[in-house]
Amino acid sequence: QKEVEQNSGPLSVPEGAIASLNCTYSDRGSQSFFWYRQYSGKSPELIMFIYSNGDKEDGRFTAQLNKASQYVSLLIRDSQPSDSATYLCAANKFYFGSGTKLNVKP
Amino acid sequence: EAQVTQNPRYLITVTGKKLTVTCSQNMNHEYMSWYRQDPGLGLRQIYYSMNVEVTDKGDVPEGYKVSRKEKRNFPLILESPSPNQTSLYFCASSLQGAVGNTEAFFGQGTRLTVV
Repeated sequence: QKEVEQNSGPLSVPEGAIASLNCTYSDRGSQSFFWYRQYSGKSPELIMFIYSNGDKEDGRFTAQLNKASQYVSLLIRDSQPSDSATYLCAANKFYFGSGTKLNVKP
Repeated sequence: EAQVTQNPRYLITVTGKKLTVTCSQNMNHEYMSWYRQDPGLGLRQIYYSMNVEVTDKGDVPEGYKVSRKEKRNFPLILESPSPNQTSLYFCASSLQGAVGNTEAFFGQGTRLTVV
């Protein structure tokens, strides 16, 4: 079984702070990693993907990948209450973690 | 508009009564997949299809069937639903399979309750 692990949270951060979401994966053959945001009862929507070691930035979001440690993270800068959602990490697109619930407090 | 459409959005049914949840995509995607989502368990893959007439089991296939007779459609069939299949179901499609940098597009979800 190809496992993707996430802390379920909830992770609570104040508005304007940096939220750090983490994900580990067991399959060393995994090549690409996706972060999705899911609001309660809604379908997941893609935030960004990463497939090379290092950092990838897109607006307020930065994905970080460390293949040696089998670790992926998502940083959200200047967190807003509208960022409050569950964040899903996926390895090779289709193997999902259970998600981390983020609460951004005004 | 590019989209994945699931129907119905909500369904309440009784144990043992066969049902089908439809999924259709208009993006000419080869890869389609079904997931169920339960609290604390994330998205678990039920079945997937790499192309027409090519389907395979995911992590939780028991109690489900699928077919892929046309590229755009990938229905999920519950021959004899049971209460433990009460869940939120998502269909997804992607231009490429697992090893590719194109995103997966999700349908709106189907909330199924089996009583």
